[in-house]
Amino acid sequence: AQSVAQPEDQVNVAEGNPLTVKCTYSVSGNPYLFWYVQYPNRGLQFLLKYITGDNLVKGSYGFEAEFNKSQTSFHLKKPSALVSDSALYFCAVRPPMDSSYKLIFGSGTRLLVRP
Amino acid sequence: DAGVIQSPRHEVTEMGQEVTLRCKPISGHDYLFWYRQTMMRGLELLIYFNNNVPIDDSGMPEDRFSAKMPNASFSTLKIQPSEPRDSAVYFCASSPDMDIQYFGAGTRLSVL
Repeated sequence: AQSVAQPEDQVNVAEGNPLTVKCTYSVSGNPYLFWYVQYPNRGLQFLLKYITGDNLVKGSYGFEAEFNKSQTSFHLKKPSALVSDSALYFCAVRPPMDSSYKLIFGSGTRLLVRP
Repeated sequence: DAGVIQSPRHEVTEMGQEVTLRCKPISGHDYLFWYRQTMMRGLELLIYFNNNVPIDDSGMPEDRFSAKMPNASFSTLKIQPSEPRDSAVYFCASSPDMDIQYFGAGTRLSVL
């Protein structure tokens, strides 16, 4: 079955330190991969996507993600965390052979950046 | 553009009542999605439309749920009759190209 896993319910990091939010996927072929962020009482906002090409993708608010095909991972990273980065982060995948265009979302990881 | 607009933002109702959630997508977006978010089940796709036509409703939990898109600028999700287990945050999202989805702020539904 096609799936996305976010193994950490919560990630804690101090402001100014680098952060990583993990995501692994299980789909056939080369998937389309996405990260979304959800702030309290808001809808999800698109951060970045990987379709093809360079394995390191840069997105909004200084975030980047690294696609690793051998490890089937797409971890979200930021060199220096801000308190305002505290939010719920979702990884999502769209299987390439799936003509229904549905996104499969992970369970979400709560990022807490302490001052 | 004001983004995806959902109404109401909060809805409190009693079991057995009909609930209608509304969504106005971003102008020019051909795809519209309805999601439900709960702590237990996370984010679930309920149904999506392409050019006002329902394409996949396999995520609709029961016949009590129905969705319509009478025109390109309006969609509704109706629950009749509502049950306490329907309590959740319901999101509408639209997309121009199926890659990036733009979400509304959601409707928090509480069924007592």
